[in-house]
Amino acid sequence: EAQVTQNPRYLITVTGKKLTVTCSQNMNHEYMSWYRQDPGLGLRQIYYSMNVEVTDKGDVPEGYKVSRKEKRNFPLILESPSPNQTSLYFCASSSLSNEQYFGPGTRLTVT
Amino acid sequence: GDSVTQMEGPVTLSEEAFLTINCTYTATGYPSLFWYVQYPGEGLQLLLKATKADDKGSNKGFEATYRKETTSFHLEKGSVQVSDSAVYFCALSDRGYSTLTFGKGTMLLVSP
Repeated sequence: EAQVTQNPRYLITVTGKKLTVTCSQNMNHEYMSWYRQDPGLGLRQIYYSMNVEVTDKGDVPEGYKVSRKEKRNFPLILESPSPNQTSLYFCASSSLSNEQYFGPGTRLTVT
Repeated sequence: GDSVTQMEGPVTLSEEAFLTINCTYTATGYPSLFWYVQYPGEGLQLLLKATKADDKGSNKGFEATYRKETTSFHLEKGSVQVSDSAVYFCALSDRGYSTLTFGKGTMLLVSP
């Protein structure tokens, strides 16, 4: 089954404790993205990657890092999380000429 | 920069009512337009899309027409069901499908 998976689905952590949210897709897609969803703001893109070792900033990249060492994986790293990064995070992937497929989401709470 | 504006919700309807959710956009160039749906507790799913002016996207009884002259992509359904209750996002892409600009989402609540 074609899918985008994210782990963990739920995470509660404390300010400053580094964390990684993993994202994996099994569709051999070139493009992968991370979004955050906040009430009243919709979805905003954090980072995206057009292929292995090629990443670029989206609209709200501050406080986040990404890497794309393999085509299927695109982890999101928060090196020093802060409470304003409490949000619902979605990973997405797409091929060159197709729509984006979204993962189920990761709900992060930073206290 | 690009932007998408959609009507605020929640939109509350009775089953079998007609649905319209308005969406207008601002973009340089000629974007592709999308409607995504998010059911409670789930990720986003593509509902329909249109890639050029006057195209009509349709799926599951929902329709939207790409209107370049009014920069709009309104979502419509003739008869909603309780199972249509969800959040609907209008989005555009003018830099390839890798980047999407979303509206803020409109919650639809359908009662029996």
